[in-house]
Amino acid sequence: GENVGLHLPTLSVQEGDNSIINCAYSNSASDYFIWYKQESGKGPQFIIDIRSNMDKRQGQRVTVLLNKTVKHLSLQIAATQPGDSAVYFCAESFSGNTPLVFGKGTRLSVIA
Amino acid sequence: SQTIHQWPATLVQPVGSPLSLECTVEGTSNPNLYWYRQAAGRGLQLLFYSVGIGQISSEVPQNLSASRPQDRQFILSSKKLLLSDSGFYLCAWSVVRGSGANVLTFGAGSRLTVL
Repeated sequence: GENVGLHLPTLSVQEGDNSIINCAYSNSASDYFIWYKQESGKGPQFIIDIRSNMDKRQGQRVTVLLNKTVKHLSLQIAATQPGDSAVYFCAESFSGNTPLVFGKGTRLSVIA
Repeated sequence: SQTIHQWPATLVQPVGSPLSLECTVEGTSNPNLYWYRQAAGRGLQLLFYSVGIGQISSEVPQNLSASRPQDRQFILSSKKLLLSDSGFYLCAWSVVRGSGANVLTFGAGSRLTVL
């Protein structure tokens, strides 16, 4: 994929501040979006998802926003903690059995 | 509950040697299965996926191959490894929900170093 060869962008955030991680997706037909968190040396873990018929969904300390007009997805983490340090990937899907298409990822570093 | 097992966790192999990484899923039937590769500090590259026994789709032409001998078993192989095959290999499974959502659950990964 075109995103896999790029070094990951990094976002540094002070502990306790809010984090916003952004993602631009490519397919306007995508109807389902997911955010994953990957800690060092581990497999990605599901955080939160959103359907295309929604523009906002909230979880515990996390909020996902979807702007279909500009094909933009964001993940907001409230009161960022050191344990939030990881690489975050967005992913999109446009039909049931079609594999997810992953974004390039963003490395979040939390400064204590 | 569903679990995914992937092994070996770490592997160091010489160039030209064969490779076999194995992945099994428990607690679900007829899952979609996937192999991804991740180079250090990079994104996720889809290598293969399977929607059923014996059905393999290849996303990237290379010296790797995949097989699905059983419903919940997915194997990644190579006859002769290249230096460029080094990376973190991730197996994943999914079952498409009634809502159409295709949520992947990943294994812990296998780190391959080719010397």
